[in-house]
Amino acid sequence: QVQLVESGGGLVQPGGSLRLSCAASGFTFSDYYMSWIRQAPGKGLEWLAYISGSGRTIYYADSVKGRFTISRDNPENSLYLQMSSLRADDAAVYYCARNLPTAWGWFDPWGQGTLVTISS
Amino acid sequence: QSVLTQPPSVSGAPGQRVTISCTGGSSDIGAGYDVHWYQQLPGTAPKLLIYDNNSRPSGVPDRFSGSKSGTSASLAITGLQAEDEADYYCQSYDSRLPGSVFGGGTKVTVL
Repeated sequence: QVQLVESGGGLVQPGGSLRLSCAASGFTFSDYYMSWIRQAPGKGLEWLAYISGSGRTIYYADSVKGRFTISRDNPENSLYLQMSSLRADDAAVYYCARNLPTAWGWFDPWGQGTLVTISS
Repeated sequence: QSVLTQPPSVSGAPGQRVTISCTGGSSDIGAGYDVHWYQQLPGTAPKLLIYDNNSRPSGVPDRFSGSKSGTSASLAITGLQAEDEADYYCQSYDSRLPGSVFGGGTKVTVL
């Protein structure tokens, strides 16, 4: 079945870096746009970035532009989010999701999420 | 502050009908982009509930329905059940960003 599994979350100091991964299975990964979305504790959903199937088209939300980098490895069926210059307000559960049918469509499925905690 | 506006909470008794509004602007819903809805049960990832304004994925009960008009959209839940108690989010696309935008979420409480 179609599945996404995130990993890489954890505790990081302010100003530090972290790389999140998302392993995809059950579909032809390279055919789809993919996105990262986060949810701060007790807050709503915030879209962060998307990447086209080829990796050539990428867009970011203003809140992470210049600090976060989305990438993908199609042969490995994997999506990544490199996060740097982390701040307290980056603490959240980070989800990867498949965009359907295009970048401006809906998200399905979602991974289970990985928690990022920012603390010194 | 979310780009799309939803009421923070709605409530209803079992069996009743509740609606959740989602209001956008001229660069998102009003620009013709479709609206999608998600249900998030406590402690779980969001799950697609409605796509393209009014379409239900397989497995979603027909108690859930969506509509869109102008710069707004709505999610209706008829025959409210205890298992419907969750957070609901609307989502669309903003051509200014460009990227996806979410509503702030609405908590549905079954009385």
